Amino acid sequence: KAGVTQTPRYLIKTRGQQVTLSCSPISGHRSVSWYQQTPGQGLQFLFEYFSETQRNKGNFPGRFSGRQFSNSRSEMNVSTLELGDSALYLCASRIGTASSDTQYFGPGTRLTVL
Amino acid sequence: DAKTTQPNSMESNEEEPVHLPCNHSTISGTDYIHWYRQLPSQGPEYVIHGLTSNVNNRMASLAIAEDRKSSTLILHRATLRDAAVYYCILRPRSGNTGKLIFGQGTTLQVKP
Repeated sequence: KAGVTQTPRYLIKTRGQQVTLSCSPISGHRSVSWYQQTPGQGLQFLFEYFSETQRNKGNFPGRFSGRQFSNSRSEMNVSTLELGDSALYLCASRIGTASSDTQYFGPGTRLTVL
Repeated sequence: DAKTTQPNSMESNEEEPVHLPCNHSTISGTDYIHWYRQLPSQGPEYVIHGLTSNVNNRMASLAIAEDRKSSTLILHRATLRDAAVYYCILRPRSGNTGKLIFGQGTTLQVKP
């Protein structure tokens, strides 16, 4: 079974631009979560989607948004990019919503904001 | 959210066992204990999880203290490939949230 895939793997943007990142979960997985990883803050939860509905949201400004499609693929969008948004953005999928469900992470998208 | 405490770093020799400790003194009776690890330049990967009893899988063992206020991840024979950051995470049994709260983790170095 193919793992979680994220595109693009690397991205360079300038301040003020917006960016869209894509995540394809493992086949059959219906829940997708997004995380931001920076050297200073570590791994931080952004949001989770299940059946096209946002279930949980982390403590990030409204410039960070996401959505999920009927095939469970998910996108996250960051508008009005700031230098501090430079980070590794990770997507994780799980089969359902049980707390014991294992989360499977993709390789991430490395975003650099200049 | 319940918090975990782990040592910042540990060292091990290749092919020797490694015991990675985690303190979680504020754990609730219904929290699962999960371990993930992140290899260099990769996303985190699941290692093991447990609730009350010790658990074993092909990757590692998880030993949970009787009062559940601490746990230990055991790698039976460390390899160079096990060099990674190891995260101990508490997950509520209820609420069905996918949110994982990562601390700083323990960076494990494995020496040949």
